[in-house]
Amino acid sequence: DTEVTQTPKHLVMGMTNKKSLKCEQHMGHRAMYWYKQKAKKPPELMFVYSYEKLSINESVPSRFSPECPNSSLLNLHLHALQPEDSALYLCASSQAGTGGFIEKLFFGSGTQLSVL
Amino acid sequence: DQQVKQNSPSLSVQEGRISILNCDYTNSMFDYFLWYKKYPAEGPTFLISISSIKDKNEDGRFTVFLNKSAKHLSLHIVPSQPGDSAVYFCAALNAGGTSYGKLTFGQGTILTVHP
Repeated sequence: DTEVTQTPKHLVMGMTNKKSLKCEQHMGHRAMYWYKQKAKKPPELMFVYSYEKLSINESVPSRFSPECPNSSLLNLHLHALQPEDSALYLCASSQAGTGGFIEKLFFGSGTQLSVL
Repeated sequence: DQQVKQNSPSLSVQEGRISILNCDYTNSMFDYFLWYKKYPAEGPTFLISISSIKDKNEDGRFTVFLNKSAKHLSLHIVPSQPGDSAVYFCAALNAGGTSYGKLTFGQGTILTVHP
């Protein structure tokens, strides 16, 4: 199983809503990531979890709240988003080496988020 | 400040010919480079990678070349097939640094392979 599963595939939410994006992998990877991709732009890193602990936060606004409840699951809680937050949100996972060396990431298909 | 650049937004090639996708980087701390392929409505899929200690890595129809002095890498696809039509992202990271897993992506190149 080399799959990273993201749900939902599409999400439309208002600026006052609270929603969550979910990500799951069963490859035994201990590093998990959230990336954001706007149309015609490259993916941009938001958060990195290593061994279920947040290790990188790329100065993401607090209206995005990540959570890693166990080694297979990664959530992104959304609250009071703005229309400019509309994007494709990609989850990824990888091995976590002893020196923190990461070779390649496995990406999910993403959640296409629209904020109205 | 774009540290990884793919200057060609698109490339069109005939089936059976060679596709060459280029990528330049500015950060000399990058020591590991990857190519990802992305189809519409899917996440990026890892294609091939190269460490900075090498200048070439080959995997089937795909070869990546690295020129460290020029801070340039390229992906060669030979022979190109219509199924190769996708967006190709070049990505780089400082594998030895503390910010592991922090891939920096280029803007992507849309490859179209015509039958």
